[in-house]
Amino acid sequence: DAKTTQPTSMDCAEGRAANLPCNHSTISGNEYVYWYRQIHSQGPQYIIHGLKNNETNEMASLIITEDRKSSTLILPHATLRDTAVYYCIVRVLSDSGNTPLVFGKGTRLSVIA
Amino acid sequence: NAGVMQNPRHLVRRRGQEARLRCSPMKGHSHVYWYRQLPEEGLKFMVYLQKENIIDESGMPKERFSAEFPKEGPSILRIQQVVRGDSAAYFCASSPFLGGEAEAFFGQGTRLTVV
Repeated sequence: DAKTTQPTSMDCAEGRAANLPCNHSTISGNEYVYWYRQIHSQGPQYIIHGLKNNETNEMASLIITEDRKSSTLILPHATLRDTAVYYCIVRVLSDSGNTPLVFGKGTRLSVIA
Repeated sequence: NAGVMQNPRHLVRRRGQEARLRCSPMKGHSHVYWYRQLPEEGLKFMVYLQKENIIDESGMPKERFSAEFPKEGPSILRIQQVVRGDSAAYFCASSPFLGGEAEAFFGQGTRLTVV
């Protein structure tokens, strides 16, 4: 079962920032926070991941609270092509093995013109 | 660098036939994951393989389903004696190595329809 909780759906106006929250209150010290998205019926697309520091790349920013119990994915300027289901996943990475990605129901983000 | 390649993209099988789904990981990736997505549902983990080894098959149905990742060639997900309930999109993902902050990259999936 997924170890994260996300809102079922969200709307965002085109050009505005989309802030997608995720609750992972039972996260353990060796678990990373990953975000993927799935546009329509395509394969999931990696967005970003982090352990405890905030991260930014060309797609998004990831803000992780100090206690690591929640995080927010920020798409700074949402476009219509960002309409997708966004998945927040916690995952163990270690030299002895990475756990598979466990997908929950995700958040269906609709970007509106 | 080509992405994860899955073929065929669409596969139609009659009930009772066998389905073979192929996944070629990204160059340099030695770990493959298979997922199934039923219509209007989320992705469910099936199996995690390293070359010539099954690491985790906790999501695989106990019967009719098998997976392999040989030393040479693509990973294969095999479904024997398919039934209508096997109709789904099957995605594979690959990652480069065991451990480390490696993201998994997904293919575009194989859509299996059992008629």
